Amino acid sequence: GAGVSQSPSNKVTEKGKDVELRCDPISGHTALYWYRQSLGQGLEFLIYFQGNSAPDKSGLPSDRFSAERTGGSVSTLTIQRTQQEDSAVYLCASSKSGGAQGNEQFFGPGTRLTVL
Amino acid sequence: RKEVEQDPGPFNVPEGATVAFNCTYSNSASQSFFWYRQDCRKEPKLLMSVYSSGNEDGRFTAQLNRASQYISLLIRDSKLSDSATYLCVVPSPGGYNKLIFGAGTRLAVHP
Repeated sequence: GAGVSQSPSNKVTEKGKDVELRCDPISGHTALYWYRQSLGQGLEFLIYFQGNSAPDKSGLPSDRFSAERTGGSVSTLTIQRTQQEDSAVYLCASSKSGGAQGNEQFFGPGTRLTVL
Repeated sequence: RKEVEQDPGPFNVPEGATVAFNCTYSNSASQSFFWYRQDCRKEPKLLMSVYSSGNEDGRFTAQLNRASQYISLLIRDSKLSDSATYLCVVPSPGGYNKLIFGAGTRLAVHP
């Protein structure tokens, strides 16, 4: 079946502009995660959704970052007034959830964001 | 202690070698563990899940030592195509099925 998809694959923007990144999880997966990965760095957790609610937003780096998920499926991550340090690959993952043996995460190809 | 710590890389090994990566974790209540593989400029992909003492899949063996809070990944008969970064992944003590990713260990297999 189809995997996790993300769009756009690449985004170049100017400092101060807003950007919106989209994630379409695997059908039937209730859990959805956003991470970011800077060049040569590990994955940095941003936010977790279970259905439409976000019980864990602890990783969002500032109030310029927000995310929503509607209909328990597609999610959008919005970054307002982008800064150069926001440049990174933003990865989305989904999992079946429901217990320890159901939470393998499957990743999308990511959106490479470059802020000039 | 970090939630997940991995061997620093890179590991440079010849084809055919056996190589082992280590990972320690701080949450003693963790029940499931994962090894992910990440190729350069690609997304992480699940390599192995570990729910009991270990798991074996072809040339790859993962072992779990709960008493020492230690997970290892053994790769036998290394191939050039095994060159990648290997991520150790552990559930967060915060629950919600949140996973904590280690920083990764880089493997380079050369001819």
